Amino acid sequence: ETGVTQTPRHLVMGMTNKKSLKCEQHLGHNAMYWYKQSAKKPLELMFVYNFKEQTENNSVPSRFSPECPNSSHLFLHLHTLQPEDSALYLCASSQVPPLTPGYNSPLHFGNGTRLTVT
Amino acid sequence: AQSVTQLGSHVSVSEGALVLLRCNYSSSVPPYLFWYVQYPNQGLQLLLKYTSAATLVKGINGFEAEFKKSETSFHLTKPSAHMSDAAEYFCAVRMDSGSRLTFGEGTQLTVNP
Repeated sequence: ETGVTQTPRHLVMGMTNKKSLKCEQHLGHNAMYWYKQSAKKPLELMFVYNFKEQTENNSVPSRFSPECPNSSHLFLHLHTLQPEDSALYLCASSQVPPLTPGYNSPLHFGNGTRLTVT
Repeated sequence: AQSVTQLGSHVSVSEGALVLLRCNYSSSVPPYLFWYVQYPNQGLQLLLKYTSAATLVKGINGFEAEFKKSETSFHLTKPSAHMSDAAEYFCAVRMDSGSRLTFGEGTQLTVNP
């Protein structure tokens, strides 16, 4: 049973649709992430939120719009996507490290949303 | 800058054979290192992490990894492969406790009966 839940598990959408991916973590973490996993490509970090504030946006196209209303929930709003955006979208959470040397917090991943853009 | 290289995008072993998945890292400071496993249609699951307390790290499902500073390696091993070990494995490195986690490109493990 993962502590990070993503919905929906599968999504098929047309290029003119608007949809949202949802992620919820039950681990008490304060950092949340969106990753994109495409076939035969490394994991791509898209966005990072620490304490609800976006701290990283890795040159992601504006057709992807994240939202983090609180430390437990993360959304990815999708609008006018392209077929090449088809991928597995993974949400993850972690504990933002305190100022303690050696603290090593791993990422906890959800099972992802398999997105197909037609 | 930090980076991680996984040698071999595909590894195939027989059931009961030794599993060895290779990971080499580059980091300007002692790194934090992780191995993750991804089963089909699932997210990544933490197998083990290196915390500098011991160079040999034991993880779940019988896997272990050894940190070798002189070789800048963190190879993942399991003495005897099981069919259920078939999955994709990712090595990841973080330079310090506050930095981004960098993933390798993954190694697909196939276990043959």
